[in-house]
Amino acid sequence: GQQLNQSPQSMFIQEGEDVSMNCTSSSIFNTWLWYKQDPGEGPVLLIALYKAGELTSNGRLTAQFGITRKDSFLNISASIPSDVGIYFCAGPHVSSGSARQLTFGSGTQLTVLP
Amino acid sequence: KAGVTQTPRYLIKTRGQQVTLSCSPISGHRSVSWYQQTPGQGLQFLFEYFSETQRNKGNFPGRFSGRQFSNSRSEMNVSTLELGDSALYLCASSPEGSSGNTIYFGEGSWLTVV
Repeated sequence: GQQLNQSPQSMFIQEGEDVSMNCTSSSIFNTWLWYKQDPGEGPVLLIALYKAGELTSNGRLTAQFGITRKDSFLNISASIPSDVGIYFCAGPHVSSGSARQLTFGSGTQLTVLP
Repeated sequence: KAGVTQTPRYLIKTRGQQVTLSCSPISGHRSVSWYQQTPGQGLQFLFEYFSETQRNKGNFPGRFSGRQFSNSRSEMNVSTLELGDSALYLCASSPEGSSGNTIYFGEGSWLTVV
């Protein structure tokens, strides 16, 4: 089945530093989604990408849809303490035909040190 | 606008018992999806309901079932609980005809099986 390989698994960075994480897949995705999950809460959508090569920003966050359709990355610039959390990539399961059946990456746990 | 509401937030059950979790989608949303989140397997799709009909089902045993009511509220049931069913169960709602970017997650129901 479809799998998303997300790296790194965890990151410890100093406040103010930039962060980069990525997802790769052996299958083509038509949509890439990036979510953030805070402790005790459900995932919240950060950025959605719909076209190969697309580069989209949301404040200090920037994400790109890889040209091959098999990868995506998320950058966070000038990190702040509230960036702490788990970041997930996700994409709709191609064979199901449903946009609600998402395949998720394993997540990147981000810790921001003061 | 109220978000996705899940009840109960926390519960403890014994092996062999059954459990029912409830989800109220965002007002006007007719699609409800359920996901299981565990440290080992991450976020995995359980099933999706739309207009009281199951549209998609993930790779889970028949002990996992769900239903949707005419008011779009949904319940999921797990029978004959096993220790491995301990997880965060997340409900997500989407408006009719939406693409993957408009999936809104609730805070989840934490199930512990002892």
